[in-house]
Amino acid sequence: NAGVTQTPKFQVLKTGQSMTLQCAQDMNHNSMYWYRQDPGMGLRLIYYSASEGTTDKGEVPNGYNVSRLNKREFSLRLESAAPSQTSVYFCASVPTGVGGYTFGSGTRLTVV
Amino acid sequence: QQQVKQSPQSLIVQKGGISIINCAYENTAFDYFPWYQQFPGKGPALLIAIRPDVSEKKEGRFTISFNKSAKQFSLHIMDSQPGDSATYFCAASGGAQKLVFGQGTRLTINP
Repeated sequence: NAGVTQTPKFQVLKTGQSMTLQCAQDMNHNSMYWYRQDPGMGLRLIYYSASEGTTDKGEVPNGYNVSRLNKREFSLRLESAAPSQTSVYFCASVPTGVGGYTFGSGTRLTVV
Repeated sequence: QQQVKQSPQSLIVQKGGISIINCAYENTAFDYFPWYQQFPGKGPALLIAIRPDVSEKKEGRFTISFNKSAKQFSLHIMDSQPGDSATYFCAASGGAQKLVFGQGTRLTINP
């Protein structure tokens, strides 16, 4: 099925551990995004990539890094996980920067 | 810095009733206003969207009302059904701004 695929779906990390969240889309979209969702705060933009080869910070980038590996894939890395990074992470894509985003099904991350 | 404010946080409506969720924005450069629907364990899905050149857009039982002068927009769900029970997010973008989301509304439709 065409869409945005995120892996893993669930992850538990210990404080200080690192991990990479993977995202891939097969819709030939140019722009990709990483959001985090926390209760009562909606979705907040972490990083985005307007096109292959470019990345920019969003509203809450501290503690994260990203890589736009190619047009399909956009990964999010936590170098040293903290309990404050416990959240649900969503990847999204859109043909260009304007219009409705297509979201993946999310990664639920718990940092203990 | 919350550029899009959404209310209420939770809403309970009887089956067949009208559900109304409101959003207010601050940035006058915003020119795209979508609503997303999210079921538990799933990602948000685009429900309906409007641009500020129209005051209302209707798709089936879902209607967006837009008031540019007041910088407000709302989602109306007519004849609400139990299957509409979900979390709804408003959002806005425009110019160099990426999509900014409201805080979300958990809607419950009682049978």
